[in-house]
Amino acid sequence: TQLLEQSPQFLSIQEGENLTVYCNSSSVFSSLQWYRQEPGEGPVLLVTVVTGGEVKKLKRLTFQFGDARKDSSLHITAAQTGDTGLYLCAGGSYRYNFNKFYFGSGTKLNVKP
Amino acid sequence: NAGVTQTPKFRVLKTGQSMTLLCAQDMNHEYMYWYRQDPGMGLRLIHYSVGEGTTAKGEVPDGYNVSRLKKQNFLLGLESAAPSQTSVYFCASSYSPQGYEQYFGPGTRLTVT
Repeated sequence: TQLLEQSPQFLSIQEGENLTVYCNSSSVFSSLQWYRQEPGEGPVLLVTVVTGGEVKKLKRLTFQFGDARKDSSLHITAAQTGDTGLYLCAGGSYRYNFNKFYFGSGTKLNVKP
Repeated sequence: NAGVTQTPKFRVLKTGQSMTLLCAQDMNHEYMYWYRQDPGMGLRLIHYSVGEGTTAKGEVPDGYNVSRLKKQNFLLGLESAAPSQTSVYFCASSYSPQGYEQYFGPGTRLTVT
């Protein structure tokens, strides 16, 4: 059973469209991270959010951490082909001076030209 | 600046064979992690290390051992490989216990037949 559920699992859109992907859990996390992973490579960190209700923007990407720190969303405005990849969320559980991260299974995004 | 490197990139083992995966980082990070990534499962933490000579179990430690004899290296060992250990293995490192910036290696694809 996944601690973090991501939806949708797959998304195929045209260049220029907007999209939102979701990361949900019944558990509370101390922080939430979003990564992008390309085939044959390791995940690359996009953002870390730590406060309930926090919103962070990274160019055309907007990340939000839910008020209760159980969920998060990633919104991409005017998607580009370079946004294609696997988007992973990871929730941090901070105990005994160490943060363990639990990953969702990812949303595979394909942006068509 | 190489970041996090992993050796080897690919490996095929027969059931019962042993092998060691090597992770090296040149960022002087205290914290290092081993994850496995399986289809539909996201990344799961196998073992982690909070400093030279110190290791701890993650979510899925069974069948694996680790060692951190030098700060820059984190080794993952499989003593008797099983088909269930077929996966892509990622190493990561971070400078803080919060792990807010985890840097991942490119991965090792392991197949056990």
